Parts: sequence; C-alpha cells; structure tokens
Amino acid sequence: DADVTQTPRNRITKTGKRIMLECSQTKGHDRMYWYRQDPGLGLRLIYYSFDVKDINKGEISDGYSVSRQAQAKFSLSLESAIPNQTALYFCATSDSRTGPRETQYFGPGTRLLVL
Amino acid sequence: KQEVTQIPAALSVPEGENLVLNCSFTDSAIYNLQWFRQDPGKGLTSLLLIQSSQREQTSGRLNASLDKSSGRSTLYIAASQPGDSATYLCAVDNYGQNFVFGPGTRLSVLP
Repeated sequence: DADVTQTPRNRITKTGKRIMLECSQTKGHDRMYWYRQDPGLGLRLIYYSFDVKDINKGEISDGYSVSRQAQAKFSLSLESAIPNQTALYFCATSDSRTGPRETQYFGPGTRLLVL
Repeated sequence: KQEVTQIPAALSVPEGENLVLNCSFTDSAIYNLQWFRQDPGKGLTSLLLIQSSQREQTSGRLNASLDKSSGRSTLYIAASQPGDSATYLCAVDNYGQNFVFGPGTRLSVLP
C-alpha cells in the first residue's frame, strides 16, 4: 500500500462548487503539505501543517482552506471553485525528527478540472 | 522571496550520454536542497538531498553538487538510459519553513 494516498485521483467540477481533496499518510510523519502544479511553474505551496494544531499559509493560499483532522489526515478545500484552480494537486509529508536530512514524500496527485 | 530557476526547460539526448541539469536559487540561506524526479501522471520521488554544509551527494549514476554561495546546484547523470526520461525538479528548504520548487527540466533520453 502507498504511504501517502490522495482521493480522488481525478475530479471534474463546475465553477462555484465546493470540493474537498483528501490526503492520508501511514508514514507517521508530523508535517504535511499541499501543493499545486501548473505547467511551466513547478510546484507552489498552498498550505502546510507542522502538527495537528498548526496550520500555515503558503505562497498561494487565497481561495483554499485546509483541515488537519489527525496527524495522518490533511484535507484541502476549494470553497467556490474557479477555472484557474484547474491544476494537479499534490499532498506531501515530512518528518521533523530527521533534522537537516528532512525530505518530502509525495502522494500520486489529484488532477482537478474546473469548468 | 526565494526564487528557483532551472535550465534548460527541456533536454533531449541520445542514450549513453552524460548530462548536466542546472538549478539556481536567489537566497543562499537554505537548509538543504533536493532533487526530485517526476514521471508523467505520478508524484515526485526524492533522488538526492544535499545539506547546506555539504558540497555534493552521489547515488548510483547520479551526482548532485551544491555551491551555496553562488546559489547553484547541478545534477549530473552519467551514461543516460531511456528509463531516465522524466521531469527533474530541484527544491530548496528555507530553514524548515517551506520548500520552494523550480519549474523542472523535462528530460528525454532517446534509444
């Protein structure tokens, strides 16, 4: 089984709809992240969470919200989807206990299309 | 604000060639730098991580170097194979606050 899972893998929605993307991990990591990837722009950080009670905005948080329901679960919501939120969304985790060798582990991604 | 760029954006080479991918960053105050591989339709896989105090890291045919003072890193791939075809991204860790990614280099290794 994959260590970091994302659901759904693909989603088509209409402008104005509220949708939620979910991420679960079995790695026991304390830190979780949401990124979006657009062609030619690399990955951009939306939100990150260093533990269950910690939520931080990333570079492009407008139009998004998150919930860290448990150490293993981190959800991303689009309150009112718009077409320019069409992108590939990735969840990632990392373990702060590894110190300077902290690396991130990525889920398989969710492809979102907003019509 | 940290910015990360990668050159070239795309690269096509015949099998067996050695090649170098470049990554540049604007703020040298980084915790570490990582190189990732992304296959189409899949997530990212970490290839190499270089701590800020290190100069290079090696894994098999891959060698990554870091020159923090000049804001540059290179990923050297020896004896390239068709299976190396993927997009390669570098990312810098700004002291554990967040990771900033470059746009990636799309590599095609032709048989």
